[in-house]
Amino acid sequence: QSALTQPPSASGSPGQSVTISCTGTRSDVGSYNRVAWYQQHPGKAPKLMIYDVSQRPPGVPDRFSGSKSGNTASLTVSGLQAEDEADYYCSSYAGSNNLVFGGGTKVTVL
Amino acid sequence: QLQLQESGPGLVKPSETLSLTCTVSGGSISSNNPYYWGWIRQPPGRGLELIGTIYYTGNTYNNPSLKSRVIISVDSSKTQFSLKLHSMTAADTAVYYCAKGDFYSMDVWGKGTTVTVSS
Repeated sequence: QSALTQPPSASGSPGQSVTISCTGTRSDVGSYNRVAWYQQHPGKAPKLMIYDVSQRPPGVPDRFSGSKSGNTASLTVSGLQAEDEADYYCSSYAGSNNLVFGGGTKVTVL
Repeated sequence: QLQLQESGPGLVKPSETLSLTCTVSGGSISSNNPYYWGWIRQPPGRGLELIGTIYYTGNTYNNPSLKSRVIISVDSSKTQFSLKLHSMTAADTAVYYCAKGDFYSMDVWGKGTTVTVSS
């Protein structure tokens, strides 16, 4: 069982938006602005999409945005495109030099 | 541009020690690249799990659930870092990734290597 809770699946039509939640506790998500989101296509390594809750690494489209409220972080993908279909994982610093991950959400572009 | 590549055995017997190496190209593990270098694994069909990280200074930080089984070290060449995971069981079957980042997030990943634990 993963430390952070994500919905197993989410979907949207091309051009629409989809939001994925990542629920932790006040010991991890709720205490630190150190939430990251990764995109993983089948058979590929994860790719960092968001770090520090809402920051985008160079090269990541601004269609991807992150936010946090209380113990829950969210990733929103706007203007869905076919290539956005992938698994998405969140992670959070949990104190004491520990990093925890969510179980992943499969995003389907309808 | 930093690139990472994992190498090691694809098959390990139960109770044995897994040894993996991550080769860093395009840079070295030094003060020129003050990053954390880590190992993350993904069991088949499941999510990601941090195994541990090592800072360029040699300080290591391991997942509490694996702590006593894990050794992460940097090679003297400073272009490789390695993972040793002792007492392997079937539950350790996974794709193992090496990555680098600022500890809180990993921005460069290797392609991953599949490790199966079986007799």
